[in-house]
Amino acid sequence: DGGITQSPKYLFRKEGQNVTLSCEQNLNHDAMYWYRQDPGQGLRLIYYSQIVNDFQKGDIAEGYSVSREKKESFPLTVTSAQKNPTAFYVCASPPLTRAGDYGYTFGSGTRLTVV
Amino acid sequence: AQSVAQPEDQVNVAEGNPLTVKCTYSVSGNPYLFWYVQYPNRGLQFLLKYITGDNLVKGSYGFEAEFNKSQTSFHLKKPSALVSDSALYFCAVRALNSGNTPLVFGKGTRLSVIA
Repeated sequence: DGGITQSPKYLFRKEGQNVTLSCEQNLNHDAMYWYRQDPGQGLRLIYYSQIVNDFQKGDIAEGYSVSREKKESFPLTVTSAQKNPTAFYVCASPPLTRAGDYGYTFGSGTRLTVV
Repeated sequence: AQSVAQPEDQVNVAEGNPLTVKCTYSVSGNPYLFWYVQYPNRGLQFLLKYITGDNLVKGSYGFEAEFNKSQTSFHLKKPSALVSDSALYFCAVRALNSGNTPLVFGKGTRLSVIA
C-alpha cells in the first residue's frame, strides 16, 4: 500500500545539535509538506514543496531547512537556531488531483525532544 | 489570508448523546474544507471534506458536517457518540481555487466521550 514513512518515531537531541527527520513517500505525489504539531496550537506549516528541486517557507520556517532532491524524499533538518524544537513533526502529501480526493496522506510523525 | 478557528479546546459528551465540534473559517473566495481525526499515538486520518454541492457532508465513522456559508462555519456532528470517538479533531481550510497551496489547520478540539 502507498503511504508516507517517517523515521525515527522518537528522536532525542542535545541542545546545539542539528538533527534531520526523514520523510519518504511511495505515492508518486509531487507535493510534500512539513507541519509542526504542538499541544493547543494545532498543525503549523514549516516548509512545503510542490515539485522536485523546489520548496517554499511556511509560516514557521525559522530554524529549519529542507531539501527536495528526489520526488520520494523530503527531509527536514532542525537546526540549532530553532529556539524551541521539542515538538511532534508531521509530514504530509496532498493527492495528485481533486478527483477522488480523500485529503492529505499523513505520516505517523516524529516526536523530537531536546535534552 | 486563510484561517480556521476551533473555539473549544475540549468537548465532553456522554455516550449515546449527539456531539458537535465547532469550526469557523476565513478564506478569500470559496472554501475547500476538511475534518481530520487523530487518535492517540496515531497519524491524522481523513474524516470528510466539502468542496461544493450539498451543505451536509457525510463522512467516515458516522460523522457528518454542515457547511454554512453565511456563518462561515463547518461544524462536525454525530447523532450518537461512541467512547471510541474520543480523539483530537482538526478542521482545515484552503481557498478552492488556490492551486495546491497547503491547508491551514485549526488548533484542534479534544473530544472526550464518557461511558
